[in-house]
Amino acid sequence: EVQLVESGGGLVQPGRSLKLSCAASGFTFSNYYMAWVRQAPTKGLEWVAYISTGGGSTYYRDSVKGRFTISRDNAKSTLYLQMDSLRSEDTATYYCTTGREWFAYWGQGTLVTVSS
Amino acid sequence: NIVMTQSPKSMSISVGDRVTMNCKASQNVGNNIAWYQQKPGQSPKLLIYYASNRYTGVPDRFTGGGYGTDFTLTINSVQAEDAAFYYCQRIYNSPTFGAGTKLELK
Repeated sequence: EVQLVESGGGLVQPGRSLKLSCAASGFTFSNYYMAWVRQAPTKGLEWVAYISTGGGSTYYRDSVKGRFTISRDNAKSTLYLQMDSLRSEDTATYYCTTGREWFAYWGQGTLVTVSS
Repeated sequence: NIVMTQSPKSMSISVGDRVTMNCKASQNVGNNIAWYQQKPGQSPKLLIYYASNRYTGVPDRFTGGGYGTDFTLTINSVQAEDAAFYYCQRIYNSPTFGAGTKLELK
């Protein structure tokens, strides 16, 4: 059974950093592009970033470029999202998901709240 | 940037009815559209990819259609468990989601 388990969310002050992790199991992690998708409270879905199978290629939405870094450790089957210079508008539930074109498997999400 | 516009924002349907919701792309996206279902408190679930391909395990009452800029998701004989938000997504190059359609049951 495919499982994606996110962790690392919490309350953080504006301008500070946070690192999210996503532990994957039940599939060959290294064969899949991986992505982060977020959802602000009571709002819709918003793609954040994705990373190629080997980690050599990364893509970001404009609003997080230069502040967020997606990475992966295939040996540990773990996806990461380093978030720096956080803003109030980054407040959302962050989902780890598989894929590049469409997103087939999703974690349960981890809530990030940016507030003073 | 391509904008995905979904309509209606919400709809109230009776069990057994047929419902169609719409997704319009601001530019031609071919068949590069996916559809998701999200129930309250849950993660999204993939329903349709490449506009009309039903994902594994999705009931055949869900049907996707369209090409270019106009797309539809139809649910035949709506069931109580279909109450949810539905999102379309432009596939590839900065994936973009629509704002969603909320389906409520009367």
